[in-house]
Amino acid sequence: KAGVTQTPRYLIKTRGQQVTLSCSPISGHRSVSWYQQTPGQGLQFLFEYFSETQRNKGNFPGRFSGRQFSNSRSEMNVSTLELGDSALYLCASSRGQSNQPQHFGDGTRLSIL
Amino acid sequence: GDSVTQMEGPVTLSEEAFLTINCTYTATGYPSLFWYVQYPGEGLQLLLKATKADDKGSNKGFEATYRKETTSFHLEKGSVQVSDSAVYFCALSDSTLGAGGTSYGKLTFGQGTILTVHP
Repeated sequence: KAGVTQTPRYLIKTRGQQVTLSCSPISGHRSVSWYQQTPGQGLQFLFEYFSETQRNKGNFPGRFSGRQFSNSRSEMNVSTLELGDSALYLCASSRGQSNQPQHFGDGTRLSIL
Repeated sequence: GDSVTQMEGPVTLSEEAFLTINCTYTATGYPSLFWYVQYPGEGLQLLLKATKADDKGSNKGFEATYRKETTSFHLEKGSVQVSDSAVYFCALSDSTLGAGGTSYGKLTFGQGTILTVHP
């Protein structure tokens, strides 16, 4: 069956702009989590959505937001981009329980100029 | 809070050598443990998992045993191949529902270990 799909794969933006990233989960998965991956900080949890509700949030500023639609697809938005937001953004889907593995997409590479 | 510590890398081995990547964790509840692998330009792929103490996860020749007494989940493979060259991440998912928040949907990762296997 189809895996997790993230679009776009690459994005180049300038400081101060905003960006929206999209994630389509595996069919039947209702939980979508987002992570930021950088060489310096590693993999950091942004937030998780389940059935259109944010259930958990990491320690990121309010410029980072997300939402989930009724078909479980999720979007992440970053406003007022900063140079430090350059990263690989990964989304992962699961059935929503802690003992269930998360399945990751290939990520969106965001570069801020 | 939860944390995962992996052995420092990078690790460089010859083909057919034995591999061990150490992973230890701290968690407030009863975590599930995972190993993920990341190839260049790709996302993370689940390698194996264990959901309770003494469980052994295995896949593609890799194994890891959930050791609650030593809070460890070390990854091993008896004979590595060049195609195993990648970055390996140990991760935990905590089932604790703490005051003021939950652990839903959150994986806590180690810093990753770069493995290079030479022919």
